[in-house]
Order: sequence, then structure tokens, then C-alpha cells
Amino acid sequence: EVQLVESGGGLVKPGGSLRLSCAASGFTFSSYSMNWVRQAPGKGLEWVSSISSSSSYIYYADSVKGRFTISRDNAKNSLYLQMNSLRAEDTAVYYCARGQQQLVTWGQGTLVTVSS
Amino acid sequence: QSVLTQPPSVSAAPGQKVTISCSGSTSNIGNNYVSWYQHLPGTAPKLLIYDNDKRPSGIPDRFSGSKSGTSATLDITGLQTADEADYYCGTWDTSLSGVVFGGGTKLTVL
Repeated sequence: EVQLVESGGGLVKPGGSLRLSCAASGFTFSSYSMNWVRQAPGKGLEWVSSISSSSSYIYYADSVKGRFTISRDNAKNSLYLQMNSLRAEDTAVYYCARGQQQLVTWGQGTLVTVSS
Repeated sequence: QSVLTQPPSVSAAPGQKVTISCSGSTSNIGNNYVSWYQHLPGTAPKLLIYDNDKRPSGIPDRFSGSKSGTSATLDITGLQTADEADYYCGTWDTSLSGVVFGGGTKLTVL
């Protein structure tokens, strides 16, 4: 069974940092592009970042460019999102999702709250 | 303000049909595949339609998608109360070099 499990969310102060992880199982992780998508409270889905299977291609939404860094470790079947200089507007449930442009499988999400 | 435009809400009675529209531009829908997602609060979003009109295994044929020019639609027939959820269209935007979503449409089955 294909499974994506996010972790690392929590409460952080504005300006702080947090690293999210996504553990993948049930498929050949190294063959697929991966993404982070978030949903702020009461808002819709917002794509955050994508990384290709070999990390050759990386893309970011303008709202996080320069502050967030996506990475992956294919040996560990894991996806990461390093979030720096966090702002209140980054408060959201963060989902990892498998796919290139079309997001086939999603995790359950991890909540990030940025508040003083 | 989302790059793709969807109606905020739609409603219909059980057993009826509903159509959700998604409007974009040549940099997104016009030149890329459209996908549709179902999202119930507190759960993982689910892919309903990919490549404009294809269904993943396990998705009933009550759900269908189409695309014409810079717009796409999701049709749901034989509505069930279990279909109450938020629905999002999504695609790649070539100008933005990123995935873009519609603002989401809340479906109410009366």
C-alpha cells in the first residue's frame, strides 16, 4: 500500500525555523517527483514546492522562495521541507504528495502553527 | 486570489447531477493536463481525475472530467451525501513554473 506520513509540525515563534519530514512506503520513492502543499485555516490548497526524482529540478511558490528549502533522501525514502524565517501566514496543515504536476497520492498532513 | 477560478459553492439533491467549473489561461489549463481533487476536512486530499478526463482505479464512473481550451469541468452524477466535500482543480502553470489550484468548491448535497 502506498503511504506518505508527515511529521515535524508544531508551534514555532515568528522568525523561527522548523523541518518537516515525509516518510514514503509502498512504492519506489526514487522514481517519483514529490511535492509539499499546504492549507491555511479556512483557506484552499496552496502548492509550496516540488522536487524531481533525482533532485535535479526544484521549484518553489513565490510566497516561500528564499525561506523554504525542499530536499529528499532516496536512500531513506524521505522528503523534507526546511522552513526558515517563519511568518504567521505560514500557519497551515502541510501535506506531502507524490507526482509530477498531478498529485496522485497525499499524506494526512502535519500542522504548523506560527505564533508568539 | 487563486490562479484558477472555481465557484465557491454548488449544491444539488441526492441522485442529481452537479457540474463544477474551473477557468484558467493558456499558461496553465490551456497547455497542461488538469486534475481534480476531493478533500474532506481532516483527511488527505484524494485524486479524482487526472489527465483531464481519466479516473484512477477505485474512483466510480459517477465522477467525470473534461477540458476545452482554457477551462475544465468536473461532473458528478447520482449525488450521494458522502460526496459532500471540497473539490479543487489543479494543473501546472508554465509561466509560474509551479502547480496551481483553484480556490475550491464546496459541494452540498441537500
